Amino acid sequence: QKEVEQNSGPLSVPEGAIASLNCTYSDRGSQSFFWYRQYSGKSPELIMSIYSNGDKEDGRFTAQLNKASQYVSLLIRDSQPSDSATYLCAVNDQAGTALIFGKGTTLSVSS
Amino acid sequence: GAGVSQSPSNKVTEKGKDVELRCDPISGHTALYWYRQSLGQGLEFLIYFQGNSAPDKSGLPSDRFSAERTGGSVSTLTIQRTQQEDSAVYLCASSVARQGTYGYTFGSGTRLTVV
Repeated sequence: QKEVEQNSGPLSVPEGAIASLNCTYSDRGSQSFFWYRQYSGKSPELIMSIYSNGDKEDGRFTAQLNKASQYVSLLIRDSQPSDSATYLCAVNDQAGTALIFGKGTTLSVSS
Repeated sequence: GAGVSQSPSNKVTEKGKDVELRCDPISGHTALYWYRQSLGQGLEFLIYFQGNSAPDKSGLPSDRFSAERTGGSVSTLTIQRTQQEDSAVYLCASSVARQGTYGYTFGSGTRLTVV
């Protein structure tokens, strides 16, 4: 059973701090990794993708991938109250089926 | 269209009735996916269409669920003899390439309530 695991949270950080969200996956053959943001009552929105080991930065967001440890993380710098949402980690697998999603981590940024 | 369009946005149905949910993907996106999300749960994969290939139905929870995609574009998810456990948000997504290699774009979803 292929799995994507995330801490459900809530993760609470003060405005301006760095939020760190973590995800592990079970399929060692996974090749594509994504972070989605989902506001309450809304559909998921793609915010980051990463395919190679290392870091990928986009504005205040940095995705980190370590395939040896089967670990993906998302760092949000200078967190804002508008970043308060559930963050979903998604992984595709080598078998070619659809993305497998974690259950998400709820982030709360207080002003 | 500019985004993935789903209809209806909300559907309340009586237990035992059949329902049809519609998805119109982004123009040019060859891959189309259906997921459902129950309250407090993650996204559960249901079915995947890629171009003219046979769909991957491995996520459909029972034979009451079926889906089709006509002309490589619009898709309809049908749930027969609905049960209360079918209540969820049904999300459709499309992608420019197979397997979601470049990530998906989701529609706004259909909230299904079975009473």
